[in-house]
Amino acid sequence: EDQVTQSPEALRLQEGESSSLNCSYTVSGLRGLFWYRQDPGKGPEFLFTLYSAGEEKEKERLKATLTKKESFLHITAPKPEDSATYLCAVLNSGGYQKVTFGTGTKLQVIP
Amino acid sequence: DAGVTQSPTHLIKTRGQQVTLRCSPKSGHDTVSWYQQALGQGPQFIFQYYEEEERQRGNFPDRFSGHQFPNYSSELNVNALLLGDSALYLCASSVPGLANEQFFGPGTRLTVL
Repeated sequence: EDQVTQSPEALRLQEGESSSLNCSYTVSGLRGLFWYRQDPGKGPEFLFTLYSAGEEKEKERLKATLTKKESFLHITAPKPEDSATYLCAVLNSGGYQKVTFGTGTKLQVIP
Repeated sequence: DAGVTQSPTHLIKTRGQQVTLRCSPKSGHDTVSWYQQALGQGPQFIFQYYEEEERQRGNFPDRFSGHQFPNYSSELNVNALLLGDSALYLCASSVPGLANEQFFGPGTRLTVL
């Protein structure tokens, strides 16, 4: 069964203090790895899709990278508005479109 | 362009009752997936609908059922509600072939008393 483990569970950063979130995964053939941002009480907001090891994608202060066993979400010089829970999810190549999510990293950026 | 919409926003039911949640997908999307998200957890896949048929199902009992209409909108029905069914129910829409880039609605918060 597909598994996704995210660490740390929670992260508190000062504004401008760069850091990385980790997503370790076990999947029977990776079709795609996804990063989402979720604000309290709202639905997840799509950020990135990564398809193969070595791939990188960037959006503003966020950069996602992928290896064969894990993905990192790097946050450069974060701002308070980056505070949210960041979810990682995987889609395997066997089934149709059953996506398996991790439990997320709750990020708090302090001014 | 309207994104994914869900109704109602909040719902309070008692144990044993039945509930129906509704979802309209993003324009141009024909596939709808439903997720259950308990507090502090990641979304758990319930099932997915495509061409008005259930295409794949997660580890949820038969009390959870769904339907997709010709206009691609969808319903999630839960029978014989349990306290443990209290959660945020999320609908996501996508287009097959785009590696499942799913776009989520705001969710329906269900509380079972």
